[in-house]
Amino acid sequence: KAGVTQTPRYLIKTRGQQVTLSCSPISGHRSVSWYQQTPGQGLQFLFEYFSETQRNKGNFPGRFSGRQFSNSRSEMNVSTLELGDSALYLCASSLGGLVNEQFFGPGTRLTVL
Amino acid sequence: GIQVEQSPPDLILQEGANSTLRCNFSDSVNNLQWFHQNPWGQLINLFYIPSGTKQNGRLSATTVATERYSLLYISSSQTTDSGVYFCAVGEIQGAQKLVFGQGTRLTINP
Repeated sequence: KAGVTQTPRYLIKTRGQQVTLSCSPISGHRSVSWYQQTPGQGLQFLFEYFSETQRNKGNFPGRFSGRQFSNSRSEMNVSTLELGDSALYLCASSLGGLVNEQFFGPGTRLTVL
Repeated sequence: GIQVEQSPPDLILQEGANSTLRCNFSDSVNNLQWFHQNPWGQLINLFYIPSGTKQNGRLSATTVATERYSLLYISSSQTTDSGVYFCAVGEIQGAQKLVFGQGTRLTINP
């Protein structure tokens, strides 16, 4: 069974731009969650989607948004990029939600100049 | 929200040594996982262990949920075991999310 995939793997943007990251979960998994990893803050939860609905949300500004499609693929969007948004963005998929085992993708490394 | 503390923050060992990594959490959990982050950033699943004991080769883990801690044991360490190990828990109260510890950086020298 194929694992979680994320595209693109690397991205360079400038301040003020917006970016969209994509995550394809393991086949049959309906929950997708997103995390931001930075050296200073560690791994922090952004949000979780299940059956196209956002179920849970972390403490991030409204510039961070996401959605999930009917095939469970998910996208995350960051608008008006700031230097502090430079990070590794990881997505995870699971069968039913955060109580189940989470499987992570390889991540998208975003650099904001 | 729930607090997750991992210890030690850094661990340097010689190849062949054994190690114990600890994860303490401040509240009841419905999920506990151990991950190894590879040099490219991907989190590799080691154990899904909200309670009890599991073993996989040279690695084993124990979670004592009533006392709010989990231990990851690595025996006969190899240089390929080097990297950062994360513990993550799912909190029952409040927002349903996976909360990560700050990690233990393990360095195995040949």
